[in-house]
Amino acid sequence: DAEITQSPRHKITETGRQVTLACHQTWNHNNMFWYRQDLGHGLRLIHYSYGVQDTNKGEVSDGYSVSRSNTEDLPLTLESAASSQTSVYFCASSNGQSEAFFGQGTRLTVV
Amino acid sequence: LAKTTQPISMDSYEGQEVNITCSHNNIATNDYITWYQQFPSQGPRFIIQGYKTKVTNEVASLFIPADRKSSTLSLPRVSLSDTAVYYCLVGPMFSGGYNKLIFGAGTRLAVHP
Repeated sequence: DAEITQSPRHKITETGRQVTLACHQTWNHNNMFWYRQDLGHGLRLIHYSYGVQDTNKGEVSDGYSVSRSNTEDLPLTLESAASSQTSVYFCASSNGQSEAFFGQGTRLTVV
Repeated sequence: LAKTTQPISMDSYEGQEVNITCSHNNIATNDYITWYQQFPSQGPRFIIQGYKTKVTNEVASLFIPADRKSSTLSLPRVSLSDTAVYYCLVGPMFSGGYNKLIFGAGTRLAVHP
């Protein structure tokens, strides 16, 4: 069955370190998204991609970057982790026509 | 993208029908309305999607009036397991389409025994 997976599920890192969160989907979807969700709040769009080599900034992109070298993967990089980036991160993919599928989330703690 | 407005929270009891209304006054002609459900510590999950009138599946019904400026998600006979956050999204949907999924704050539904 097709799926979307995120890794790691939990990560603790230190302030200033570079961190990369992985997202891999086997739906063959062109559209992929990264969100962050802070406790008790909705999802905020960080970056999104409509296909290979395409990336776009979302609502809260400062301090984050993505790259799309193939259809399956959209890694999210925190260039210099800050405590304000402690959050739960969700990756999603869609074909643009119907439902989007979400990963299980990555809980990131920056100390 | 059309802005959506939903109640922040709702309370209900087991066995009752719950209706959550979403306002989207500036919905565009090619926009669809999609609802997602999110349980704690999980990613959102698609519930239902519609364009106009009424759509029903095994989980919920979606009512959309003729002017499409609002929509109502109806959950029949809720149980404790329906306690979750429900999000209403509005945007174009077509194969290969460039739909940017923007989530609002959602509606936090609490179902009580």
